[in-house]
Amino acid sequence: DTGVSQDPRHKITKRGQNVTFRCDPISEHNRLYWYRQTLGQGPEFLTYFQNEAQLEKSRLLSDRFSAERPKGSFSTLEIQRTEQGDSAMYLCASSPYGTSSQETQYFGPGTRLLVL
Amino acid sequence: AQKVTQAQTEISVVEKEDVTLDCVYETRDTTYYLFWYKQPPSGELVFLIRRNSFDEQNEISGRYSWNFQKSTSSFNFTITASQVVDSAVYFCALSEGILSNDYKLSFGAGTTVTVRA
Repeated sequence: DTGVSQDPRHKITKRGQNVTFRCDPISEHNRLYWYRQTLGQGPEFLTYFQNEAQLEKSRLLSDRFSAERPKGSFSTLEIQRTEQGDSAMYLCASSPYGTSSQETQYFGPGTRLLVL
Repeated sequence: AQKVTQAQTEISVVEKEDVTLDCVYETRDTTYYLFWYKQPPSGELVFLIRRNSFDEQNEISGRYSWNFQKSTSSFNFTITASQVVDSAVYFCALSEGILSNDYKLSFGAGTTVTVRA
């Protein structure tokens, strides 16, 4: 049983650079969520997809952030012109919407981003 | 406004002691879900338990038990006979998006549990 995977696990970049993260959900899960977690805080919702459709974006997701899930399978989260305030753990989760467990999200290991 | 409050920042216990984590939530919805997740040092959030707002029956699952009280908007979690491997950050989370079908989670700030051998 393969869980949610994320790549890379760690990313160090310089301010102003673009970065892209990938998330592969549990294979039969049609919903995919992105969260951001800063040090000492709980995760905060960023956006979510059902299949390939992006259904909601948080106000935390500025214009520099974009997420895609082109074929309804893996998803990418891109941050353009990174700022030091973008340093955080980016977590991906998936869930089986339409089933008896649709409310439960299963998380990946996260991508820890450090912007210098 | 914070929807989920975990007042305890850190708890330190000796192995085999019981640990109870407090969680207070705020919602106007009548239908919602509550969760506990564990985040070990590796960073991955591990799902532990789920409870829906219709079911206030308290349960025990192995060394985990929970106490859901709608009247006080509390969803407390207990680890019985703690072990060193229980050392982690524990998050309480609320899902209100039942009618809107989004099920997005609102998390508390977490409680760091340290179990000493």
